Amino acid sequence: DTAVSQTPKYLVTQMGNDKSIKCEQNLGHDTMYWYKQDSKKFLKIMFSYNNKELIINETVPNRFSPKSPDKAHLNLHINSLELGDSAVYFCASSQRGGVSRNTEAFFGQGTRLTVV
Amino acid sequence: AQSVAQPEDQVNVAEGNPLTVKCTYSVSGNPYLFWYVQYPNRGLQFLLKYITGDNLVKGSYGFEAEFNKSQTSFHLKKPSALVSDSALYFCAVRDMHDRGSTLGRLYFGRGTQLTVWP
Repeated sequence: DTAVSQTPKYLVTQMGNDKSIKCEQNLGHDTMYWYKQDSKKFLKIMFSYNNKELIINETVPNRFSPKSPDKAHLNLHINSLELGDSAVYFCASSQRGGVSRNTEAFFGQGTRLTVV
Repeated sequence: AQSVAQPEDQVNVAEGNPLTVKCTYSVSGNPYLFWYVQYPNRGLQFLLKYITGDNLVKGSYGFEAEFNKSQTSFHLKKPSALVSDSALYFCAVRDMHDRGSTLGRLYFGRGTQLTVWP
């Protein structure tokens, strides 16, 4: 069973379009994330949700809007796509931590977004 | 502020030789430390972590890492490299007492490309 799954795996679209990437985790984690990996492979956090509540929003343009219908899902909607949005987007999940030793994050396979 | 440094963009090693991928960190509190591996066109796979206890932690695929608090380092090691170990390796840190806007956040290094040649 896939722990963190995101769809689609590849997404090619024209500038100006609106697109969504979906993410689901079946690990029972309470926190989910979106990371962006640029062409130099640098990973940067975009958003984090804990129990459906937004807790991290890292200077991401308003065109990016995360939505968490429940704590197992965190979708990413992008409006008016630009060339610079081309990257690989990773969804991840983890447990909050504290007394828990299960602190590692689990990542999806990534969505390679190409804006043309 | 939390940060991770991987000083080497690339590490090349011959198969059968030991390998080391370096990582140093900076965190305001006590750290949780992680290594992830990314194979081409794949997601990040968890390798190992340091939470507390023994400074030497063992992980998947024969990898291990040593936590050194005085040097704020968490270098990844393997006694005998395999060609199949060739991949991009990321070190990451999380503040043990993260809360609020930093809750659960991982800070990643820039990655080190490991190439093992036959």
